[in-house]
Amino acid sequence: GQNIDQPTEMTATEGAIVQINCTYQTSGFNGLFWYQQHAGEAPTFLSYNVLDGLEEKGRFSSFLSRSKGYSYLLLKELQMKDSASYLCAVRDQDTNAGKSTFGDGTTLTVKP
Amino acid sequence: GAGVSQTPSNKVTEKGKYVELRCDPISGHTALYWYRQSLGQGPEFLIYFQGTGAADDSGLPNDRFFAVRPEGSVSTLKIQRTERGDSAVYLCASSPQGSLGSYEQFFGPGTRLTVL
Repeated sequence: GQNIDQPTEMTATEGAIVQINCTYQTSGFNGLFWYQQHAGEAPTFLSYNVLDGLEEKGRFSSFLSRSKGYSYLLLKELQMKDSASYLCAVRDQDTNAGKSTFGDGTTLTVKP
Repeated sequence: GAGVSQTPSNKVTEKGKYVELRCDPISGHTALYWYRQSLGQGPEFLIYFQGTGAADDSGLPNDRFFAVRPEGSVSTLKIQRTERGDSAVYLCASSPQGSLGSYEQFFGPGTRLTVL
């Protein structure tokens, strides 16, 4: 089975840094994804980690520790448009096109 | 290029009716996924196609749900004898096969199904 935990809600201030954590317990692992989902819209891809360490992409960074079953998404220089739900998803099959199991998402509210 | 498209965008039906939801993936993507999402929750996996065949249908909740992808492109999710609990946003996603990289999933805008 798969179990993915992330905080339900977070609030941060415009211009600040926020870290959204995700812990997982899965029967298999072949990569962890972060998606952003604005209200009423489809999820869009942010980042992917399959090896331990930090992946940086502009204002967004994602970290993975496979031994700890832990990842975080770091958002820097927060903007109002970053207010959205952030979904952690684990791909759980050996084939690279396998399905992903999603967490329930963290709703981030950015305040002025 | 065009992204994943889904039709209809909204579907309202009565309990007990049959519905079909359509997904048109990105051209050339061989992997196709169906999820459903309820308010405040993450997408819940339903079924995954690799080409024409269902590679994993373990997420289909019961035998009222069925999906096909006869030519390896467009897919249809079929729900028989709909129940109020089936109300959700049904998301389709596609992913490339055989390329290097993250195999991210590209999501369509979803079909909001309401069963009255």
